Amino acid sequence: QQQVKQSPQSLIVQKGGIPIINCAYENTAFDYFPWYQQFPGKGPALLIAIRPDVSEKKEGRFTISFNKSAKQFSLHIMDSQPGDSATYFCAAGSNYQLIWGAGTKLIIKP
Amino acid sequence: DAGVIQSPRHEVTEMGQEVTLRCKPISGHDYLFWYRQTMMRGLELLIYFNNNVPIDDSGMPEDRFSAKMPNASFSTLKIQPSEPRDSAVYFCASSPFEQYGYTFGSGTRLTVV
Repeated sequence: QQQVKQSPQSLIVQKGGIPIINCAYENTAFDYFPWYQQFPGKGPALLIAIRPDVSEKKEGRFTISFNKSAKQFSLHIMDSQPGDSATYFCAAGSNYQLIWGAGTKLIIKP
Repeated sequence: DAGVIQSPRHEVTEMGQEVTLRCKPISGHDYLFWYRQTMMRGLELLIYFNNNVPIDDSGMPEDRFSAKMPNASFSTLKIQPSEPRDSAVYFCASSPFEQYGYTFGSGTRLTVV
């Protein structure tokens, strides 16, 4: 019940396209769903996060869609740029602890 | 704010040696987390502290691993004796009270040969 399943493992998208990364969780007690972005040689950095009382949240070009009944959430990146190439992690948590997805390596081709 | 500061950035040591990783969290953050990242296992939570007190160390792999937080501005993760399978990137992260927004340090890449 503690797993967070993330897909795909890797993704290649042309510049300007909309990469979508999906995550599914099992524990209905989770109340916080963040996405982190990690560049090589750096620690993960918080990108955007959502609580289960809303179905969508946008910050700039990044959007989280949340489906509570399906226990799924996804990250969409609008107008993707080569600088968005990174590894993206979803996570789900409660009580200040996070369970992490395995990560998606995203490459945006110029 | 300088963010979460970890040292050293890289550490190469021989099997059997003691290794100490250091972390300075962001001032005012009440929570401190130690994570390990490997290709095979991804991000693993090792231990976390709240107000300098260890709350959950169930992720610490073995008794060879220990962590301390003697004050609000400093924490260490020690491995004694180190083994090649401990090779990984170790991250420290901190978070303010009642918020989940972790801020990670840049990590320490540990290689045990």
